[in-house]
Parts: sequence; C-alpha cells; structure tokens
Amino acid sequence: EPEVTQTPSHQVTQMGQEVILRCVPISNHLYFYWYRQILGQKVEFLVSFYNNEISEKSEIFDDQFSVERPDGSNFTLKIRSTKLEDSAMYFCASIPGQGAKFGEDTQYFGPGTRLTVL
Amino acid sequence: QKEVEQDPGPLSVPEGAIVSLNCTYSNSAFQYFMWYRQYSRKGPELLMYTYSSGNKEDGRFTAQVDKSSKYISLFIRDSQPSDSATYLCAMSPWGNNRLAFGKGNQVVVIP
Repeated sequence: EPEVTQTPSHQVTQMGQEVILRCVPISNHLYFYWYRQILGQKVEFLVSFYNNEISEKSEIFDDQFSVERPDGSNFTLKIRSTKLEDSAMYFCASIPGQGAKFGEDTQYFGPGTRLTVL
Repeated sequence: QKEVEQDPGPLSVPEGAIVSLNCTYSNSAFQYFMWYRQYSRKGPELLMYTYSSGNKEDGRFTAQVDKSSKYISLFIRDSQPSDSATYLCAMSPWGNNRLAFGKGNQVVVIP
C-alpha cells in the first residue's frame, strides 16, 4: 500500500541552525501539508501546498519557515533559524485531490520527523 | 471557545468493553469529520471518515456526527489490547482544507 515517507526520523540541531525536513508524498497526490505536534499537545496545522504554491498557512508558519517541492517527488520544510520551541514532531500529509473518491480524499500522514533543538 | 475540544483524560478499560470517545467543536463550517489512531511517536493513522451528520460503522468501530450539537463520537466495541493507542478527532470544512485536531484520548485496553 502506498505511504507517505519522511526523513530523517530524528534530527538534532543547535539553536539558530537551519534544518530541512523531507517528505515523499504518495505519488499521485496533489495536495501536501505540514503539521507539527509538540510533546503532549495537539497536532497543529502549519501549511498546505498545491500546484507549486502555498494555499494556506497558519500563524505559526512565519518567515522562519518555508516549503518547497524541488522535484516531482519530494516536499520539504525548511526552518531557517531554529528556536528551542521548534522542538516537536513534524508530520507531512498528502491527499489525492481532484477526482478522488469519497473517503479517499482525506489526509494520509507520514511517520513524522522528531526535531530536537538544543 | 477552542475550535475543537477533546477531553484528553486517559481511559483504561478491560478487554471486551465498549470504548466511547467524543469531541465538540465550535466552527459550524466543519463538514468532514475524522478519527485518527496514533501510536507512540508515530504518525496519525486514519480510522474513520464521515461527512456531515449521521453514523458510520466499520467492523467494531462506529463514528457518529451530530452537527446540530457540534458533537462527534467514536465507539469501539469488543475492545482489544491492540486498540491501545491515542485517538484523535479531526475535522475540516472541505476535503482538502487544513485539519483541526482535538488533543487526543489515550486509551489502554487491559487484557
């Protein structure tokens, strides 16, 4: 069964460093998302991406964050200058989009990248 | 009022019991309602998916949506130790919109 994959599974970085989290969405999916989950808290929406541009972003997704789809398969989240409070699990998700059957047009999540900022 | 509220208290039940979970929400635009299961340090896994009000059954799982009360429920019948996980409710106005999540309920099924 196709699945969303994410690398690395765990990233440790120093405060102020840049990190890039990588995701490979399911191959025929058209909409892509990043969420984060701080330990013990809700899963929070960061950004959605469609047709090579951001379609929606939350107030969390400030100028320190950027997303990119550099080729036909990868979807990346970059944090330019990490802060301690960026420590969280980061989840990528994707959906098929147009033409999907009911019940299939919902978000499939990857296993997550655990980001630890020291 | 928070957009999605889910009482995060842990729930321990004996094997075979019925597990009942629920969420309330404030945004009347929500039309798509989901339940995800999440194991420790893993990504959310879709369990149930419903649109608008009504019930949906899938094996031992039943999802209910009452839009008039802004209240959704998940029932797990004949619970098994393998059902031990955190259950998250999530919802959105449209299928491709951002999901708003509840905080999750940790369920432990005791053999």
